[in-house]
Amino acid sequence: AQKITQTQPGMFVQEKEAVTLDCTYDTSDQSYGLFWYKQPSSGEMIFLIYQGSYDEQNATEGRYSLNFQKARKSANLVISASQLGDSAMYFCAAAINDMRFGAGTRLTVKP
Amino acid sequence: DAMVIQNPRYQVTQFGKPVTLSCSQTLNHNVMYWYQQKSSQAPKLLFHYYDKDFNNEADTPDNFQSRRPNTSFCFLDIRSPGLGDAAMYLCATSRLRSNPGQGSSFYNEQFFGPGTRLTVL
Repeated sequence: AQKITQTQPGMFVQEKEAVTLDCTYDTSDQSYGLFWYKQPSSGEMIFLIYQGSYDEQNATEGRYSLNFQKARKSANLVISASQLGDSAMYFCAAAINDMRFGAGTRLTVKP
Repeated sequence: DAMVIQNPRYQVTQFGKPVTLSCSQTLNHNVMYWYQQKSSQAPKLLFHYYDKDFNNEADTPDNFQSRRPNTSFCFLDIRSPGLGDAAMYLCATSRLRSNPGQGSSFYNEQFFGPGTRLTVL
């Protein structure tokens, strides 16, 4: 079964700066999807960005970009120009036969 | 707007008293999931349906059952809730994605409902 690792339990970033949240995964499958979700304190899970294992370009969605390094099995999320509203839990997930989530990183944006 | 709806948002039950949580979707997705999320932890997949095909995670306790009577609805039944079952229960939906030319498929991004927070007294 695939395993998703997020090594940063908590991260702090200054408002307007960029921050990178780390994610590595372990799978022997060649075909899979990688996702990042944001979970504010209100509890809803918000989809941010998706990367397919065969996509050659790194995914970008507004201020979010995914730094995909297939050989290293890493899928780091980069948030540019952090805003106070970005403070939340961030989960990395991988989808093959099902969806597995990492333990999450709590991001705090400081004014 | 197309969405995933969970009822109720908050559920209180007594130790050992059966409880049912419901989820409905207007996205017409063929896959529906149930997750359990305890405080400060990642969501843990309990089971999912691909159409009517039920897939149970190996470590999901027998105390948890699920029903999907049609495409739009999915239910989570907890037969005898214990104190350790107090958690947020998240329902999600997705569509199966095929990789063109690769002969493989996997699940697309999931859309989550707002969750039901279960308290066991």
